[in-house]
Amino acid sequence: DAKTTQPTSMDCAEGRAANLPCNHSTISGNEYVYWYRQIHSQGPQYIIHGLKNNETNEMASLIITEDRKSSTLILPHATLRDTAVYYCISSNTDKLIFGTGTRLQVFP
Amino acid sequence: GAVVSQHPSRVICKSGTSVKIECRSLDFQATTMFWYRQFPKKSLMLMATSNEGSKATYEQGVEKDKFLINHASLTLSTLTVTSAHPEDSSFYICSVSVQGEEEKLFFGSGTQLSVL
Repeated sequence: DAKTTQPTSMDCAEGRAANLPCNHSTISGNEYVYWYRQIHSQGPQYIIHGLKNNETNEMASLIITEDRKSSTLILPHATLRDTAVYYCISSNTDKLIFGTGTRLQVFP
Repeated sequence: GAVVSQHPSRVICKSGTSVKIECRSLDFQATTMFWYRQFPKKSLMLMATSNEGSKATYEQGVEKDKFLINHASLTLSTLTVTSAHPEDSSFYICSVSVQGEEEKLFFGSGTQLSVL
């Protein structure tokens, strides 16, 4: 699995968009980009995933650069309940290796 | 999405005892499950891959005799921490791989193990 790098922490004001970057410069052609988040003392929650195209669902949008070396997870209107650790993972199997993630703090 | 039930959510035990953690898939058959552990303020670390009807595959550095995994049915995998010691205190999380679902993995709610 390709290694991903994310900023350690980010802050975001409630109601604003949260943009979480992820670098995966060594990603291979058949590896997807997955995003999960983990709220304190809970199991990770799936957010979104993509291969090449940008994706959107009810939770977030995923923007993948054309060269696929990086991506951005966008939470369009962050709420206090979005405070969590966000993990970006690249994989072509169901075996997911978690990095250190980004701790997003949404403040009022 | 699929539901994964993990039990117990919290357990406290004495040093030297064994603790069993259950992971159940409630509405689908799971041929593959994964076990992770997580220390405070750290990321999830994959411990092993559990395959129904066969021996688990352990990640490097994880003691197979210490962490016994049984996946005897398509809906249940168990992790037994044998002869637990305080350094085994951690948050243990299972996940289930479901083919055909948009999500790759569904996660349980985790088990907080505290060894006194």
